[in-house]
Amino acid sequence: GAGVSQSPSNKVTEKGKDVELRCDPISGHTALYWYRQRLGQGLEFLIYFQGNSAPDKSGLPSDRFSAERTGESVSTLTIQRTQQEDSAVYLCASSSNGGTGNTIYFGEGSWLTVV
Amino acid sequence: GESVGLHLPTLSVQEGDNSIINCAYSNSASDYFIWYKQESGKGPQFIIDIRSNMDKRQGQRVTVLLNKTVKHLSLQIAATQPGDSAVYFCAETPWGGNTGKLIFGQGTTLQVKP
Repeated sequence: GAGVSQSPSNKVTEKGKDVELRCDPISGHTALYWYRQRLGQGLEFLIYFQGNSAPDKSGLPSDRFSAERTGESVSTLTIQRTQQEDSAVYLCASSSNGGTGNTIYFGEGSWLTVV
Repeated sequence: GESVGLHLPTLSVQEGDNSIINCAYSNSASDYFIWYKQESGKGPQFIIDIRSNMDKRQGQRVTVLLNKTVKHLSLQIAATQPGDSAVYFCAETPWGGNTGKLIFGQGTTLQVKP
């Protein structure tokens, strides 16, 4: 597609439920990133995929968070047993090859509210 | 740990004036810096970037200045327009690593008064 596409755009879930958030990167981009943005805050790095390399999971806040990527395309971020503090915008981004200096393009985000 | 921070959380300017948004960084290994603009309800949008071998870079109505001595980055917007109202984030990433992973600051809200 023309840009990074994320779904759902909005999700309200009950505490304790699992949620899946999906990201379609820009076609041909091998690098994919997930960030979390709490209300009024900056972006927190969660996880980074680059080609067939092992993902950089250093930003995942707990073992309730996981992400997968199918080849060099779609990625899914899964949050298990959601908690209220998980409420945030989850932003996906991609870049052409992940190297420093390659512009990182963001999607519009998935707004998650845990009630 | 390392962090990127902003001096002012909110900046209010008159339409037509120039705006300057500042950012301090602490990661001495960072050699690449980016400014993003985020409008309400949208994802961050790339504005301009700069590498550490430069101290100034200009785009359309925007200029980024880098002072490595004091680890300071600024974004200048000329003739600020109402459409410039947004939150502005600076971000950094270490040079030479096989990752474009970004570390973001907290953001500055720019309010443009008509």
